[in-house]
Amino acid sequence: ILNVEQSPQSLHVQEGDSTNFTCSFPSSNFYALHWYRWETAKSPEALFVMTLNGDEKKKGRISATLNTKEGYSYLYIKGSQPEDSATYLCAFLNTGNQFYFGTGTSLTVIP
Amino acid sequence: DGGITQSPKYLFRKEGQNVTLSCEQNLNHDAMYWYRQDPGQGLRLIYYSQIVNDFQKGDIAEGYSVSREKKESFPLTVTSAQKNPTAFYLCASREQGRTEAFFGQGTRLTVV
Repeated sequence: ILNVEQSPQSLHVQEGDSTNFTCSFPSSNFYALHWYRWETAKSPEALFVMTLNGDEKKKGRISATLNTKEGYSYLYIKGSQPEDSATYLCAFLNTGNQFYFGTGTSLTVIP
Repeated sequence: DGGITQSPKYLFRKEGQNVTLSCEQNLNHDAMYWYRQDPGQGLRLIYYSQIVNDFQKGDIAEGYSVSREKKESFPLTVTSAQKNPTAFYLCASREQGRTEAFFGQGTRLTVV
């Protein structure tokens, strides 16, 4: 069993606050690290696919960094808005094509 | 529109009965995956398939079976050997390589 861990498990922030989550994953057999956003009653949607050590990706107010040598990735949300409320999942894809998800971070942005 | 479809959305079965959950994709993806989610827990990998007529067990394959006779379809059978089948089941597909996954809407199975 591969361990992909996310912290914190849940987070409540005020509108306008910036926040960040952590994903830790095995550093061996790394192929890619994915971030997904999962809103209630919808399917998860991809935010980022990161492949290289030191990768930084940005989409609007959301950005992510990757450290494959130490096995962690951070997701940052700048100026949180109520529509950012969702569960954020990271997923580790190894060279054997196994695709493992973390337990997710549930974000609630309070207006 | 391309996508991945799971059916049904809700399913009720009596204990001891096998049940098959459907997952179909028209994205021409090679890899398909089945996950299970229990309350308060993350997605756990049941089975995955990288190519037609081939599939591998994930971490919690006991009590489940799959087939991959067509590229588009990856049905999951929950057998009577699965001790706690009540859960939310999610199917995903992706192209080979470092590409994002696409997901179905999930099936919530309740065994009574």
